[in-house]
This record gives sequence, structure tokens and C-alpha cells, in this order.
Amino acid sequence: EPEVTQTPSHQVTQMGQEVILRCVPISNHLYFYWYRQILGQKVEFLVSFYNNEISEKSEIFDDQFSVERPDGSNFTLKIRSTKLEDSAMYFCASSELVGTTYNEQFFGPGTRLTVL
Amino acid sequence: QKEVEQNSGPLSVPEGAIASLNCTYSDRGSQSFFWYRQYSGKSPELIMSIYSNGDKEDGRFTAQLNKASQYVSLLIRDSQPSDSATYLCAVLVSGTYKYIFGTGTRLKVLA
Repeated sequence: EPEVTQTPSHQVTQMGQEVILRCVPISNHLYFYWYRQILGQKVEFLVSFYNNEISEKSEIFDDQFSVERPDGSNFTLKIRSTKLEDSAMYFCASSELVGTTYNEQFFGPGTRLTVL
Repeated sequence: QKEVEQNSGPLSVPEGAIASLNCTYSDRGSQSFFWYRQYSGKSPELIMSIYSNGDKEDGRFTAQLNKASQYVSLLIRDSQPSDSATYLCAVLVSGTYKYIFGTGTRLKVLA
């Protein structure tokens, strides 16, 4: 069964460094998303991406963050100048469409980011 | 600010019983609703989606939607200890590409 994959599974970085989290969405899906989940808290929407453009972003997704689809398969989240409070689990998700149906999101296993 | 509300629990049920999980949402225009299961330290796993008022059944799971009351629920029949997890309700905000999640309800199925 097709699945979303993410690398690395765990990333440790020093405060102020840049990190890139990578995702490979399900191949026939057109919409891609990033979420974060701080330990013990809810899953928070960061950004949605379609047709090489950001479709929607939350107030969390400020200038520190950027997303890119550098080729036909990868979808990346870059976090510049990481802060302690960026420590969280980051999930990538994809959906076939966004509409009344076929908009079910499927999540990758996540990248645990630890900022020291 | 659109919201999705869930009772955080824990909800404890004996093995074999029906577990009932509830969710309310604030966006009256939302049309797409989802239930996910999340084990500790793992990613959300889609259980089912529901788009129309009424019930939708898939195996031991039944989702119920009442748009007038802005209420979604999930019933788990014949609960098993392996069902012990946090159950997340998610809603696609109308007119957007943004999905919002509730805080989740922790379910404990007692053997």
C-alpha cells in the first residue's frame, strides 16, 4: 500500500542552525501538508501546498519556515535559525484532492526535531 | 478562529464494550470530517472520513455526523486493548486548504 515517507526520523540541531525535513508524498497525490505536534499537545497545521505554490499557511508558518518541491517526488520543510521552541514532531501529509471527497490526508511517520 | 473541541479523557471502557468519542466544531460551513487514531509517539492514522449527515460504518467503527448541531462522533464496537490510543477529530475548514485537529480523546480499553 502506498505511504508517505519522511527522513530523517530524528534530527538534533543546535539553536540557530538551519534544518531541512524531507518527505516523499504518495505518488498520485496532489496536495501536500506539514504539521507539527509539540509533545503532549495537538497536531497543528503549518502549511498546505499545491501546484508548486503555498495554498494556505497558519500564523505559525512565519518567515522562519519555507517549503519546496525540489523535484517530482520530494517535498521539504526548511526551518531557518531554529529556536528551542521549534522542538516538536513534524509530520508530512498528502491528499489526492481537496474537495468534498478524495480529500483524506495520509500522514508520514514524522521527524522528531530536537533543538539544543 | 475555527476550533475543534474534544474531551481529553481518558475514557476507560472494558474490553468488548462500545466506546463513544465525541467532537464539536465551530465552522458551520465545513463539509469534510475525519477521525484519526494516534498511538503514543506515532503519527495519526486515518480511521475514516464522513461528509454527509447520518452514520457511516466501517468494520467495528461507525462515524456519525450532525451538521445542524456541528457534532461528529465515533463509535468503536467490541473494543479491544489494542484500540487504546488517542483519537483525533479533524475538520477541513470550509473554503480553505486547512485542516484543524482537536486535542484528541485518550481511550483506554481495559482487559
